[in-house]
Amino acid sequence: GAGVSQSPSNKVTEKGKDVELRCDPISGHTALYWYRQSLGQGLEFLIYFQGNSAPDKSGLPSDRFSAERTGGSVSTLTIQRTQQEDSAVYLCASSLVGSRSGYEQYFGPGTRLTVT
Amino acid sequence: SQKIEQNSEALNIQEGKTATLTCNYTNYSPAYLQWYRQDPGRGPVFLLLIRENEKEKRKERLKVTFDTTLKQSLFHITASQPADSATYLCAVEGDKIIFGKGTRLHILP
Repeated sequence: GAGVSQSPSNKVTEKGKDVELRCDPISGHTALYWYRQSLGQGLEFLIYFQGNSAPDKSGLPSDRFSAERTGGSVSTLTIQRTQQEDSAVYLCASSLVGSRSGYEQYFGPGTRLTVT
Repeated sequence: SQKIEQNSEALNIQEGKTATLTCNYTNYSPAYLQWYRQDPGRGPVFLLLIRENEKEKRKERLKVTFDTTLKQSLFHITASQPADSATYLCAVEGDKIIFGKGTRLHILP
């Protein structure tokens, strides 16, 4: 079956604009994660959705960042009033079951965001 | 605070030799530890998972050890090949999953 897909693959935006990044997880996966990866850096956790539970938003760097997951499937990460430090690759991953379960995460190819 | 440390410098290994990568963690008691491979421009790909009550796990040319006393995992690639060149990330999983920054591995032909 299809893996995790993300769109767009690349996004260039002007400072101050809002952007939306989309993630389509693997069908049937109840857990969905968003990460950010800057050049030469590791994966920075942003937000985690597990089924119908309230999302874990503890990694969101500011209130300009938000995410939602509709119908337990597709997720959108929104960054409002983008800043240059938001430039990074945004990765989405899904897992059959969430944290503390020992299930691997399947990553999408990422969206490269450049804020000019 | 919770920290994961991996060799920050790139590791150069001659083809055919065993590559060993290290992952150390502090202030954390993970139930699982995972290793991922990441190629440039791509998302990480899962390789192996080891549980806290397991000492060692193998898969083909890969071997992972997990020492909860030392708070360390070692990742070995035996008979290394140039195609093994990539960045390898470790991730510890408890209430949440935390990734290390990764180690770049170069297998020299």
